[in-house]
Amino acid sequence: GDSVTQMEGPVTLSEEAFLTINCTYTATGYPSLFWYVQYPGEGLQLLLKATKADDKGSNKGFEATYRKETTSFHLEKGSVQVSDSAVYFCALSAYNQGGKLIFGQGTELSVKP
Amino acid sequence: DAGITQSPRHKVTETGTPVTLRCHQTENHRYMYWYRQDPGHGLRLIHYSYGVKDTDKGEVSDGYSVSRSKTEDFLLTLESATSSQTSVYFCAISQKGLAETQYFGPGTRLLVL
Repeated sequence: GDSVTQMEGPVTLSEEAFLTINCTYTATGYPSLFWYVQYPGEGLQLLLKATKADDKGSNKGFEATYRKETTSFHLEKGSVQVSDSAVYFCALSAYNQGGKLIFGQGTELSVKP
Repeated sequence: DAGITQSPRHKVTETGTPVTLRCHQTENHRYMYWYRQDPGHGLRLIHYSYGVKDTDKGEVSDGYSVSRSKTEDFLLTLESATSSQTSVYFCAISQKGLAETQYFGPGTRLLVL
């Protein structure tokens, strides 16, 4: 079945460092891909999304490109801030499954001043 | 912020007791979802609804039932709670389902002793 695999955390970076969180997926058809972020004690919020191959989603300095050839959707940010500390979830919405989201296990990011 | 509330926000109960969690939305979105979040598993779909009285199972539906008698309310019931159902439960909504952004509630922390 469809699945999402994220890199293991926690990831600890210094402020202004470059961030990459890897995400790969397995799916039939052409899924939509999402990154959600969860700040401590809160629910998930959409960070960005891409609905077709080669689309780039971007928001708040974060970017991810839908790569069909490598089945990947890696999250990047050029310069992280302490306020980016959170758990990041990669997810896919399969074409034939009523919009259900399948999540990766989450990657915790901690940014130190 | 999307108008989604969950109640209760925290609950402690004993094994074998029934528990009902409520999700209420003010957005008039058609689709509603219940997920559980556990360490190492990300979020996993329990049940979802694609309209009033229309529901379907997710990947971890055993031991759970749902009901949706009004557009705005989606109830999750644990018929006889077990310790393995200790988790954080999130409700989500979306307007059209497929490939649409899901908006998440604040979550309910459930502890089954």
